[in-house]
Amino acid sequence: SQKIEQNSEALNIQEGKTATLTCNYTNYSPAYLQWYRQDPGRGPVFLLLIRENEKEKRKERLKVTFDTTLKQSLFHITASQPADSATYLCALGRGGYQKVTFGTGTKLQVIP
Amino acid sequence: NAGVMQNPRHLVRRRGQEARLRCSPMKGHSHVYWYRQLPEEGLKFMVYLQKENIIDESGMPKERFSAEFPKEGPSILRIQQVVRGDSAAYFCASSPPREGDEQYFGPGTRLTVT
Repeated sequence: SQKIEQNSEALNIQEGKTATLTCNYTNYSPAYLQWYRQDPGRGPVFLLLIRENEKEKRKERLKVTFDTTLKQSLFHITASQPADSATYLCALGRGGYQKVTFGTGTKLQVIP
Repeated sequence: NAGVMQNPRHLVRRRGQEARLRCSPMKGHSHVYWYRQLPEEGLKFMVYLQKENIIDESGMPKERFSAEFPKEGPSILRIQQVVRGDSAAYFCASSPPREGDEQYFGPGTRLTVT
């Protein structure tokens, strides 16, 4: 069956360092992958989308890589700040008018 | 441009009652998704709708749950004869009529069944 795995344990890093979050998947052939941020008590907010034919995407301090051979995406936040503390969700889609499937999320805590 | 609106934000129901959750998508968006989230868990897909059509309801329990997105008005997620296990946060998201686009989420409705 399809499986999307993100680090189940919280990730604690020091302010100013680069945070790296992982999203692995099995039994799935996504056409694209998305990353969202979710704060407690709020709905997720879209951050980045990367397609299967793209290796890397950047937006300000964010960088996403997508390796369809390893079936993995890495999400990096450089120069991390306490305000980056949140849960980060990856979501995979097959393309067309089809649903996306979300991972369980990784909680990031940036320590001042 | 207002974001995705959900109401009510909090809903308390006794076992056996009906719960109606409403979602107004962003202006210009014709696709609506409903998700359920339990504390410390991920988002579980329930249903994907376009105006007057259910595209994918593979995540919806077969009984007691239904969803609609009429030509006019908000999308409605309806839970009949609620049980304690239905207590969760229900999120609605909308997207433009383009393939594979990002989803814009509402603030969620927190349903508590007593």
